[in-house]
Amino acid sequence: RKEVEQDPGPFNVPEGATVAFNCTYSNSASQSFFWYRQDCRKEPKLLMSVYSSGNEDGRFTAQLNRASQYISLLIRDSKLSDSATYLCVVRGGRRALTFGSGTRLQVQP
Amino acid sequence: DAGVIQSPRHEVTEMGQEVTLRCKPISGHDYLFWYRQTMMRGLELLIYFNNNVPIDDSGMPEDRFSAKMPNASFSTLKIQPSEPRDSAVYFCASRPSGQGRSYNEQFFGPGTRLTVL
Repeated sequence: RKEVEQDPGPFNVPEGATVAFNCTYSNSASQSFFWYRQDCRKEPKLLMSVYSSGNEDGRFTAQLNRASQYISLLIRDSKLSDSATYLCVVRGGRRALTFGSGTRLQVQP
Repeated sequence: DAGVIQSPRHEVTEMGQEVTLRCKPISGHDYLFWYRQTMMRGLELLIYFNNNVPIDDSGMPEDRFSAKMPNASFSTLKIQPSEPRDSAVYFCASRPSGQGRSYNEQFFGPGTRLTVL
C-alpha cells in the first residue's frame, strides 16, 4: 500500500464549478500535511498547509481528518488557471515529505 | 531573490555514461532534498541533507547513485553508470531549519529532465 494515495483523475470540470479532492495516508504518526500544486512540466509549489481545525485560503479550503487519516481540498468557483496536478503531501518523523502521485484537474471554458 | 538553481535543465546521454546533476539551494536554507519524478512512480525522495550532512538516503535506488554536498551552496547527484530506467525529472529542493509552520515549505528548483538512451 502506498503511504499517500490519491485518485489520479483527471477531473474535468467547467469554469465556476466546485471540485473536491481527497487523499488518504497510511502512517498514523504523520505530523504535517500539505497540498502542493504542479503545473505541466514545472516544479511543485506549496499551495497550502493543512491544519487540524481546517483552513481556508480564498477559494481553497483544506480539511484534515486524523481519525480516518484523510485530507481533502475543496476548490470553489474554479478558474481556467486552476488546471494543474494537485499533490497531497505528508510528513512524519525523521523522514522528509512523502508525496502522493497527484490528482489532475482540468478546468474547461 | 534567486530560487533553487539546477543544472543542466536537460540532459540526454547514452546508457553506461556518467551523469552529474547540480543544485544550488536558496541561500540560508539548511536542508537540501533530491527527488526523482516519473509517470509510473510519481515524486520520490532520494536523499536529503541537513547542514551538508546526509540524513536519510534510504530512497537512493542503488549503488549507481551517489550524492554529495561539499558546502552549503552546492550539491551534486551522480549516476554511474546510467541506465534507460533512470530517465526521469530530477528535482532539488531546499528549506530553512526551524520549528513552526513558516519552516514547512520546501522550495523546488526547475528540475533536470534526464533521458538515458
